[in-house]
Amino acid sequence: EIVLTQFPATLSLSPGERATLSCRASQSVTSYLAWYQQKPGQAPRLLIYDASNRATGIPARFSGSGSGTDFSLTISSLEPEDFAVYYCQHRYNWPLTFGGGTKVEIK
Amino acid sequence: EVQLLESGGGLVQPGGSLRLSCAASGFTFTRYAMSWVRQAPGEGLEWVSCISDTDIDTYYTGSVRGRFTISRDTSKNTLYLQMNSLRAEDTAIYYCARVMPHYWYFDLWGRGTLVTVSS
Repeated sequence: EIVLTQFPATLSLSPGERATLSCRASQSVTSYLAWYQQKPGQAPRLLIYDASNRATGIPARFSGSGSGTDFSLTISSLEPEDFAVYYCQHRYNWPLTFGGGTKVEIK
Repeated sequence: EVQLLESGGGLVQPGGSLRLSCAASGFTFTRYAMSWVRQAPGEGLEWVSCISDTDIDTYYTGSVRGRFTISRDTSKNTLYLQMNSLRAEDTAIYYCARVMPHYWYFDLWGRGTLVTVSS
């Protein structure tokens, strides 16, 4: 089973700042990694797929990069609605797994 | 409107059974693989099971294999998760999710249904 480790666990930032979230895989997943956003009381929402492709309707301030074992999600300038928990997920093999999440909170 | 609506959650005793349903609408159900993902209270996301668009292939995470069964009824546009031999650690919100074509990612989610396993 591929373990995805996300860091930091919590990121405290102000609106307008840049956020960089990391996800590290226990073995290579090539580019087969997605990012999701989850707000309290809501279902997750797909943001990025295959490392760097924005899902339908996702604003351009969200971008993804990386390959192999190291990936990042960048939010170029935080909007108030971006404060949430973010998860990575791989599709390299079975079982699919998620990272433990990074909470982006208002500083 | 494109949506998924889960039902069937509730309180069940350890060792008991429960069947979750997910009604799909607004898209061609038979063209998509589908999945269940769960989230224990205050915890992260855990993938549970997937079923291919052809229904030929099913996949499970190790902790539920042999206890849970995923299936669907295309005549009713409904996905199911039959859960047997339930344990306290199965307590979670269970989300139904649509699988993005050609990718095993989840591009549409329901609001979830809460399953509580407790005596």
